[in-house]
Amino acid sequence: GAVVSQHPSWVICKSGTSVKIECRSLDFQATTMFWYRQFPKQSLMLMATSNEGSKATYEQGVEKDKFLINHASLTLSTLTVTSAHPEDSSFYICSARDPSGIPTLHFGNGTRLTVT
Amino acid sequence: DAKTTQPTSMDCAEGRAANLPCNHSTISGNEYVYWYRQIHSQGPQYIIHGLKNNETNEMASLIITEDRKSSTLILPHATLRDTAVYYCIVRVAGNTGNQFYFGTGTSLTVIP
Repeated sequence: GAVVSQHPSWVICKSGTSVKIECRSLDFQATTMFWYRQFPKQSLMLMATSNEGSKATYEQGVEKDKFLINHASLTLSTLTVTSAHPEDSSFYICSARDPSGIPTLHFGNGTRLTVT
Repeated sequence: DAKTTQPTSMDCAEGRAANLPCNHSTISGNEYVYWYRQIHSQGPQYIIHGLKNNETNEMASLIITEDRKSSTLILPHATLRDTAVYYCIVRVAGNTGNQFYFGTGTSLTVIP
């Protein structure tokens, strides 16, 4: 089945630094990927839709200059958290649409970001 | 997308069927019902989806009421590994248009 891989699985960074998270579709091409954020004991919140070769579409309330998304190839989307602060500490999860036409999503295993 | 309402939590004895309800009274005619689950600290996993008819796959069964205002996900023989948060989502099918928005889900605990 379709596999989505995220890297790193966890990262700790200092306040003010930037962190890049990669999301890869391993055995299929994904023109569209989605980035979610999940705080402890809460549901997933859609942050943005990443489109290959064009600008990402951000959900209301998500700062596009803080969460930079690049989808430069059909198998890779990256999310960069710029000037990270402790309140950005969260579980970030990416997903991609099933390539076979079944209207569903495949998710990566998430990246746990801790900002100290 | 139509909103969904699910119980916050449920328990189920190991080996028994787990029946997880979902209300979606404002669902539109072209919206599908999807179920995902999320095991702690992992990404969500697709379980099943349907439009009108009941559906079954190797993981679960989905029962949708005739008026489509509610549905039930059935795990026929729950195991400890089925302990997870289960999300019911309704959205228009197809690979364009509406995204997947997650509600609060049901935290299922399978008890030995």
